[in-house]
Amino acid sequence: RKEVEQDPGPFNVPEGATVAFNCTYSNSASQSFFWYRQDCRKEPKLLMSVYSSGNEDGRFTAQLNRASQYISLLIRDSKLSDSATYLCVVNRDRDDKIIFGKGTRLHILP
Amino acid sequence: NAGVTQTPKFRILKIGQSMTLQCTQDMNHNYMYWYRQDPGMGLKLIYYSVGAGITDKGEVPNGYNVSRSTTEDFPLRLELAAPSQTSVYFCATIFNYGYTFGSGTRLTVV
Repeated sequence: RKEVEQDPGPFNVPEGATVAFNCTYSNSASQSFFWYRQDCRKEPKLLMSVYSSGNEDGRFTAQLNRASQYISLLIRDSKLSDSATYLCVVNRDRDDKIIFGKGTRLHILP
Repeated sequence: NAGVTQTPKFRILKIGQSMTLQCTQDMNHNYMYWYRQDPGMGLKLIYYSVGAGITDKGEVPNGYNVSRSTTEDFPLRLELAAPSQTSVYFCATIFNYGYTFGSGTRLTVV
């Protein structure tokens, strides 16, 4: 099983819809989780950290499910500008290495 | 405050040539990283450094070398370019688990 797995997509979603991605991780001792956004041919940029209690930033909500070892990202009222690849990032605590998922591609359709 | 600066942005190399990818940060961060990203794939760690004078191998170090003589600079050296090294290379620093990436170097080896 890969350390961090994401559905590669693409997710094709009409503008205004709600879309959710999941990311699973294999190391149950992982403590830190993040979502990054990567636009086409650009560098990744931190979107949000994921906290145990869940957290929200505007239209974006991140959740952590430790029992099932997955994190999720929910985007409400999607905009054309949300089209990007979303990378799941997990801190592997045993050696403090940070593992990137391969990303989920999202296309928001007008 | 430029953050992380990478040069060049694009480069085409012939097989067997050598080159240095430059990376400079002005945030005075100790940790610096080199990643490569192949099309449709996740980021793979090549080398990293926890401070000036200290470097360590990542997941895919073969064919590369690094040095860290100052806090600001972390160049990546390719000695004998191979087609398998065709990729996008990202340099990054980290602070409180939040990465800041450079804009990347697109390298093609022909």
